[in-house]
This record gives sequence, structure tokens and C-alpha cells, in this order.
Amino acid sequence: GAGVSQTPSNKVTEKGKYVELRCDPISGHTALYWYRQSLGQGPEFLIYFQGTGAADDSGLPNDRFFAVRPEGSVSTLKIQRTERGDSAVYLCASKLAGGADTQYFGPGTRLTVL
Amino acid sequence: KQEVTQIPAALSVPEGENLVLNCSFTDSAIYNLQWFRQDPGKGLTSLLLIQSSQREQTSGRLNASLDKSSGRSTLYIAASQPGDSATYLCASTGTASKLTFGTGTRLQVTL
Repeated sequence: GAGVSQTPSNKVTEKGKYVELRCDPISGHTALYWYRQSLGQGPEFLIYFQGTGAADDSGLPNDRFFAVRPEGSVSTLKIQRTERGDSAVYLCASKLAGGADTQYFGPGTRLTVL
Repeated sequence: KQEVTQIPAALSVPEGENLVLNCSFTDSAIYNLQWFRQDPGKGLTSLLLIQSSQREQTSGRLNASLDKSSGRSTLYIAASQPGDSATYLCASTGTASKLTFGTGTRLQVTL
């Protein structure tokens, strides 16, 4: 079946602009995660959704970052007033509810802030 | 706060060699330990998942071990092939299934 998809695959924006990154999880997966991977680093946790609600947003770096999942499926990560330091690959993952089984990752969105 | 470290950062071996990648973590209160593979420009692919109650998992030429008490995991790759060239990431699973990743080991298998 279809895996996790993310759009766009690449996004180039100017400092100060607003961007939205989209994640389509695997159908039926109620848990959804956003991670950020800077060059040469491992992914870092940003936010976790269980259904429609953000169960844990402790990884969001500041209030310029916000994410929603209004219908418990597609999620959008929103970044306001982008800064050059926001440049990274943003990864989305989904999993079935319950248990600590594996997460399935999308290909990521590479964000470049000029 | 959990910290995950991977050694070495990069490794180059000739085809056919057996190799070991190392992962250490500071907090032993984990649900499981996973090893992922990441190819350039691609997402992460899960290779092996070891539950906290298990000692090892095997899949084909891959074998991963877990020693919670010492905070260590190893990924053993037998008879390496050029197609194994990628970055290998280990990650511990904590509360709410959040993953804490190491910085990865970049593996190159040469002909």
C-alpha cells in the first residue's frame, strides 16, 4: 500500500516568509510525528499527534512553529517568519496506535531559507 | 534527557568484510531500540527493532544486539556489499513512542 508522503519535496523561501509543509500518513495510522534533521545530524523530535490532538509538542523550538491535524489524517507543519537556521529536512512519520512498534517515515521536505 | 551516541561517525570497508556499528544511550528506561538506514535524499527505513526485553534481533545479514544495563547496542553487518552503503541511525524509543536518534554512521562499502 501507499507509504507516508510529504509535499513539497523541496522548498526554497526567503528569510521572514511563511511556509507550510504537508504530511499524508499511512491510512489508518492514528499516531503522527514530525522530526527535523539538520545537516550531519540525526532527526530531532518536534511534535506528536494522537488523532487530531497534539499529545506532545515539547520539541517545537519556539512559537514560530505550529502544526495541525484537523481531521486526524493529514498534518501541516507551519513555520512563521522563517530564519536561515530553520533550513533542514523535515521528516514526518506515522504508526498504528498503541505499543512501541516501528514508525514509518516519509521522504522528507528539504527546506532552504535564503 | 536521553542522549544517543554513535561511533564511528564514518566507516569505509572493502566489499565482503564483516563490520560492527556501535550505539550508546544514557537512559536505560527505553521501550525499544531501533536501527534505521537512510540513503541520500531519502527518508528512513527501519531495519531492526529490539524490544527492551530482548537481547537481539536478526534479519538476513543484519544482527542487532541490545544491552540495556550498559546502555549499548550494536549492529553487525555480515559480508558487506556496495549496496549497504548508506547512513545507519540508531534510535531509542521513549514515552509516547518518541524517537531519540544518534547522529549516525556513514558507511561506504568499496569494490
